[in-house]
Amino acid sequence: NAGVTQTPKFRILKIGQSMTLQCTQDMNHNYMYWYRQDPGMGLKLIYYSVGAGITDKGEVPNGYNVSRSTTEDFPLRLELAAPSQTSVYFCASSGTEGGYTFGSGTRLTVV
Amino acid sequence: RKEVEQDPGPFNVPEGATVAFNCTYSNSASQSFFWYRQDCRKEPKLLMSVYSSGNEDGRFTAQLNRASQYISLLIRDSKLSDSATYLCAVNQGGNTPLVFGKGTRLSVIA
Repeated sequence: NAGVTQTPKFRILKIGQSMTLQCTQDMNHNYMYWYRQDPGMGLKLIYYSVGAGITDKGEVPNGYNVSRSTTEDFPLRLELAAPSQTSVYFCASSGTEGGYTFGSGTRLTVV
Repeated sequence: RKEVEQDPGPFNVPEGATVAFNCTYSNSASQSFFWYRQDCRKEPKLLMSVYSSGNEDGRFTAQLNRASQYISLLIRDSKLSDSATYLCAVNQGGNTPLVFGKGTRLSVIA
């Protein structure tokens, strides 16, 4: 019973590089979300998806892209990484009850 | 006014104490309310949902005050293991995305 799995756990990127943060859930949840959390700050929504093939922007989508080709997977793509994207990224999923299950996070540093 | 606001703390309390946190929300259309617990360098974990009539789970009690637009979390008989950051979260019902507060840090001291 893995829940929500995120990879990688840690990554250092150089400015201008690109990467994909992976997120997979095995709970058959339709709803999935990407948040970022900066030190001392709350979680800010980047993108979310209500089902396969459907995605929508959150509060801070600039510099990111997502896709949802399957119910299980919701990868987050960073193009042209910038220092402002240094953060901890959390993926989450939810079923009908609304409460989230979070992955363990990806700590990203852009230098 | 921020959408969801919490006192950042820290709240430093002795073991066995009772401590309460409040969280205010600005959107009167908010329908669902939650408390999450986040340990240092870990992901948030759902502590409890908050129901209109209030609800209790062991030493934890959550309440909702729609008129004043706040939710509260009461922890009785605090344990060292309760030390964490407590995040409140609200949405407009169903699976609309949650909006999180910045969290309140609790330290329970021996």
